[in-house]
Amino acid sequence: SQTIHQWPATLVQPVGSPLSLECTVEGTSNPNLYWYRQAAGRGLQLLFYSVGIGQISSEVPQNLSASRPQDRQFILSSKKLLLSDSGFYLCACPPPTGGYTFGSGTRLTVV
Amino acid sequence: SQQGEEDPQALSIQEGENATMNCSYKTSINNLQWYRQNSGRGLVHLILIRSNEREKHSGRLRVTLDTSKKSSSLLITASRAADTASYFCATPLAGYNKLIFGAGTRLAVHP
Repeated sequence: SQTIHQWPATLVQPVGSPLSLECTVEGTSNPNLYWYRQAAGRGLQLLFYSVGIGQISSEVPQNLSASRPQDRQFILSSKKLLLSDSGFYLCACPPPTGGYTFGSGTRLTVV
Repeated sequence: SQQGEEDPQALSIQEGENATMNCSYKTSINNLQWYRQNSGRGLVHLILIRSNEREKHSGRLRVTLDTSKKSSSLLITASRAADTASYFCATPLAGYNKLIFGAGTRLAVHP
């Protein structure tokens, strides 16, 4: 079965600072990978998805970017964080059948 | 854009009671999935129902799907305090590698 690792679990960053969140997947190869953001008490908004190395699709215009440098690695980045970037960031991966597997998430607070 | 919308937004019940959550969606689907999220954690897949299925059971969970009404319901029977969580429905957007989530139902089960 596949497992998703996300780190860090929590992060407090000042406005204008850079960001790098990492997601790695075990137990599968050539997975589709997804970054979601969840505002407090809200549903999940799809930010990026990737079907392979170097292939990134952006869902919403924003201050963030994503990269897929390796098959099982998906990175969410920003050059300069905004207050509105605060939220709970989740990485996800669909298995061959059944529901998606999610990482444990990173809670980002921009101050 | 949101594909699924849950109803109610919040639900408060006593232990032992049943909890019913509803989900409506907008476009054709291949399947519909329900997830659970404990506060501050990642999402856990509960159950997937395919478009040609009308009802599915898993332990104390019962999911129904009515494709003519574009709706689904999740029933948790004999609820426990440990069932307290947010519950989300999600549908893969047809033809795309995307899982779209509703805003969720926050369930509180009181002992």
